[in-house]
Amino acid sequence: GAVVSQHPSWVICKSGTSVKIECRSLDFQATTMFWYRQFPKQSLMLMATSNEGSKATYEQGVEKDKFLINHASLTLSTLTVTSAHPEDSSFYICSAGDPRASKAFFGQGTRLTVV
Amino acid sequence: AQSVTQLDSQVPVFEEAPVELRCNYSSSVSVYLFWYVQYPNQGLQLLLKYLSGSTLVKGINGFEAEFNKSQTSFHLRKPSVHISDTAEYFCAVSAETPTDKLIFGTGTRLQVFP
Repeated sequence: GAVVSQHPSWVICKSGTSVKIECRSLDFQATTMFWYRQFPKQSLMLMATSNEGSKATYEQGVEKDKFLINHASLTLSTLTVTSAHPEDSSFYICSAGDPRASKAFFGQGTRLTVV
Repeated sequence: AQSVTQLDSQVPVFEEAPVELRCNYSSSVSVYLFWYVQYPNQGLQLLLKYLSGSTLVKGINGFEAEFNKSQTSFHLRKPSVHISDTAEYFCAVSAETPTDKLIFGTGTRLQVFP
């Protein structure tokens, strides 16, 4: 079964509204989680590193005020897309690394469509 | 800084034929290398990883990859593909730890025909 759960799997929202995406590690604690964005037929690009109990680290070119990240517990990170616009429509994927397995696990992804 | 290059954006192949998906990386430090598979509208599933030790790595679904440090390559191979192998394949590198952020290649679309 999935060890990293992402919710929702898809969402449609109106332009100007905000959308929250959750990423949970199910059977391990993750002090760090990662958020990626994937445009159609393209690769995954790292958006930010979510750090439990502290501020997220954003990659160059990613607007931190638009993509709010909260990592309030060792098993949950949330990404909120604020004031969404159609160009924010994309596939968002989170990941968390399990040191016991020496690998990262990915969520199922969230397809965001802004209309 | 690390980077990953997947030389082929698409690889068409007939069922039961062998396939190789190419991946080259660049890094000034030791790296950890991964191959992931992605089916439409889904997350990523790890096929295999190279951390250290034997350069030939065997993964799930009959895939294997060979780490070649001198050629900075980590090509993915399968001796006989199935229709169900049709998917997008991503090569990725991590420099810090195996669970750290990943730098992905641009992906290779494997299309298996009957």
